[in-house]
Amino acid sequence: NAGVMQNPRHLVRRRGQEARLRCSPMKGHSHVYWYRQLPEEGLKFMVYLQKENIIDESGMPKERFSAEFPKEGPSILRIQQVVRGDSAAYFCASETGGGEQFFGPGTRLTVL
Amino acid sequence: KNQVEQSPQSLIILEGKNCTLQCNYTVSPFSNLRWYKQDTGRGPVSLTIMTFSENTKSNGRYTATLDADTKQSSLHITASQLSDSASYICVVRPSGGSYIPTFGRGTSLIVHP
Repeated sequence: NAGVMQNPRHLVRRRGQEARLRCSPMKGHSHVYWYRQLPEEGLKFMVYLQKENIIDESGMPKERFSAEFPKEGPSILRIQQVVRGDSAAYFCASETGGGEQFFGPGTRLTVL
Repeated sequence: KNQVEQSPQSLIILEGKNCTLQCNYTVSPFSNLRWYKQDTGRGPVSLTIMTFSENTKSNGRYTATLDADTKQSSLHITASQLSDSASYICVVRPSGGSYIPTFGRGTSLIVHP
């Protein structure tokens, strides 16, 4: 059973470009969480999704950020018109619902 | 507001020594508390989980304690190894309508030979 997969592992974007981060949950997991981690900071909750539904997006900025978890395929975190402040490590975690969260290796986004 | 505070922020110990990391939380109502280990450049990996009724739980050289009355937890590492160098994160999950966990900022542990 493969673990949570994220790609790309490293992403470099120039200011104003779009960043697309992908997360494939563990097999059988229908719940996905996205977190952001700044250097020397703890993980901050962004959004919680189930298949085809956004359950809680209270931690995600209202502008430029969006997330989806389609019926088929990975969950996508999209950041439009990136700014330098978006540079961070983005982690996704999956679970069966209320159980242990299994984390992916993260995507490190660098905005030039 | 749900908060998780960890101390110390960083810790340096010699290989073979023991250490204890602390976690205080205000999350309520409480469902469970997990300790995660995060190696540099990797995602967190769960070490232990504790529910309201549990006081102590061990996983190899890791022993976690929980005092639900004072809302405190500790993670004790015995006979430290170089591979224990990592960030240790305390994560508390509420019960009730929200399942969103609250993360501490972590304790950065460095084990020197």
